Amino acid sequence: DQQVKQNSPSLSVQEGRISILNCDYTNSMFDYFLWYKKYPAEGPTFLISISSIKDKNEDGRFTVFLNKSAKHLSLHIVPSQPGDSAVYFCAASVNDYKLSFGAGTTVTVRA
Amino acid sequence: NAGVTQTPKFQVLKTGQSMTLQCAQDMNHEYMSWYRQDPGMGLRLIHYSVGAGITDQGEVPNGYNVSRSTTEDFPLRLLSAAPSQTSVYFCASSDGQGVTNYGYTFGSGTRLTVV
Repeated sequence: DQQVKQNSPSLSVQEGRISILNCDYTNSMFDYFLWYKKYPAEGPTFLISISSIKDKNEDGRFTVFLNKSAKHLSLHIVPSQPGDSAVYFCAASVNDYKLSFGAGTTVTVRA
Repeated sequence: NAGVTQTPKFQVLKTGQSMTLQCAQDMNHEYMSWYRQDPGMGLRLIHYSVGAGITDQGEVPNGYNVSRSTTEDFPLRLLSAAPSQTSVYFCASSDGQGVTNYGYTFGSGTRLTVV
């Protein structure tokens, strides 16, 4: 039973516009959340994270929002660039090193 | 600094064969893990290790063995390959502090096909 769910398998966005990726989780014990980005034939690379004691974390063009009451987090990419075209994975952890991943969302940025 | 190195990158096995997927890291990381990626399922944890000599099972350990004799190496052994083990396998490492700040460092993956 997947504890982390990304219900949108794909997202297409125009260059310069905002990309919003969503993630839902079921385990209320998760206390750390991460986003990974993956290009074809490469391993996932860490993008941004957020602790459960926060509701927002920002790093350049990337912002992650956490709504604990709704068990929902989202990743905003502003502005979207062609190099952002990749698969994005949401992941969660219960205060340790084991991560539970969502199925991923493929983002395509159109010129 | 090579990071996490996985070999081979591609492998085709016949059902029933055994093989070892190699993983090495040069960052002196304590924590290492093996994940498999399947379409529509994300990455699932197979086995993990918190240091040399210590390993434990993850979410989908059946059919796989691991050992951790050194800090650097964490090989994954398929005992008797089955078509259900066709997947992309990723090895990852973390210094233990980094998993909550910088996440895991992943290798580039091994694409395994069992026929």
